[in-house]
Amino acid sequence: AQSVTQLDSQVPVFEEAPVELRCNYSSSVSVYLFWYVQYPNQGLQLLLKYLSGSTLVKGINGFEAEFNKSQTSFHLRKPSVHISDTAEYFCAVFTRASGSARQLTFGSGTQLTVLP
Amino acid sequence: SQTIHQWPATLVQPVGSPLSLECTVEGTSNPNLYWYRQAAGRGLQLLFYSVGIGQISSEVPQNLSASRPQDRQFILSSKKLLLSDSGFYLCAGGQGPGELFFGEGSRLTVL
Repeated sequence: AQSVTQLDSQVPVFEEAPVELRCNYSSSVSVYLFWYVQYPNQGLQLLLKYLSGSTLVKGINGFEAEFNKSQTSFHLRKPSVHISDTAEYFCAVFTRASGSARQLTFGSGTQLTVLP
Repeated sequence: SQTIHQWPATLVQPVGSPLSLECTVEGTSNPNLYWYRQAAGRGLQLLFYSVGIGQISSEVPQNLSASRPQDRQFILSSKKLLLSDSGFYLCAGGQGPGELFFGEGSRLTVL
């Protein structure tokens, strides 16, 4: 079974500063990797995904993430954050096995708070 | 584009009362559908998923149930709510591996 660890539950950062939200996973098989964002009192929306190919993936709102197979990590980065980036961010892992809902596993989330 | 409508948005219910949360999907047919519960600071817990009409799989034992009477309709129910059922409930749909689109959520408070 796979698991996802988001190392920081809360990340405060000043506006226009860079940010990195960390995600590590464990799985015995190949995976697809995702970052979702949740704004207050809303559902989640897909920020970016890694399925195959280039290990650096770009998503919406200027975010990017890098898949590092040797370190089993998929950290999310943004070079300059805005107040509007304040939200909770979830890393998720899907195993490349035959389809089953139980194979999508979410991390516990990281609350990013951008300070003026 | 695919859209999920979920209601009610907020609900306050006494312990022991019944529950019905409804979710409908637009913009796609025969999607996989999911009910998640989100407790504060604890991420998302998968409750139920469905791959088609009348096909429901439960991920955790509890006093909740789910039904899919139509292709684009997914309902979460309970006959008697517990305090521990309080939380933020999210309906989601998906057709690709791991790529889900979510509704706006329903916040349930059980008193």
